[in-house]
Amino acid sequence: DSGVTQTPKHLITATGQRVTLRCSPRSGDLSVYWYQQSLDQGLQFLIHYYNGEERAKGNILERFSAQQFPDLHSELNLSSLELGDSALYFCASSVALGGKQETQYFGPGTRLLVL
Amino acid sequence: DQQVKQNSPSLSVQEGRISILNCDYTNSMFDYFLWYKKYPAEGPTFLISISSIKDKNEDGRFTVFLNKSAKHLSLHIVPSQPGDSAVYFCAASGGGNTGNQFYFGTGTSLTVIP
Repeated sequence: DSGVTQTPKHLITATGQRVTLRCSPRSGDLSVYWYQQSLDQGLQFLIHYYNGEERAKGNILERFSAQQFPDLHSELNLSSLELGDSALYFCASSVALGGKQETQYFGPGTRLLVL
Repeated sequence: DQQVKQNSPSLSVQEGRISILNCDYTNSMFDYFLWYKKYPAEGPTFLISISSIKDKNEDGRFTVFLNKSAKHLSLHIVPSQPGDSAVYFCAASGGGNTGNQFYFGTGTSLTVIP
């Protein structure tokens, strides 16, 4: 158990809908990262938050947004969903600013299926 | 464009033998490399890492080798055990145009046969 929790574990929804994925980092970790893993793809970095502030953006679509709250939990909002958004979404956390040598601890993921 | 590639989707090895997982990268700005292991229904967990100033890093049964000129790294598991059966992801990070984020490969599914 990494100490990172993600809810829900599974989510089935329809095209055009909006969903919110939630992540609670390990106790004491200030950084939260979101990744998307589509079929036969590696984990694609979406976005990084540190202590409530956005630090870096990766291949995140404009239909997607995220935020980190004062209690450090984070939410990833996916809107106007398309079939291609079906994927595993992972959240990870790390202690500090997320330097390249800082270990990231991953949650179990949320599997999203868009029908 | 996939900057970190794992060209073998799967690998089967007999228990007790060596497992060799390979990873190639394209961006010369990468200078830190990691391997993560993932069991079904769990998130990836950190296994071992190597900085570009080294060409080898060892941790118990796990050794990572880095060949910078070939932009290639490999993970050796000796001896392989059934509990090592999992998906292994290679990841890279660095400065410059890499944005200091982690880039992951597509993973290699290792099966260790008892």
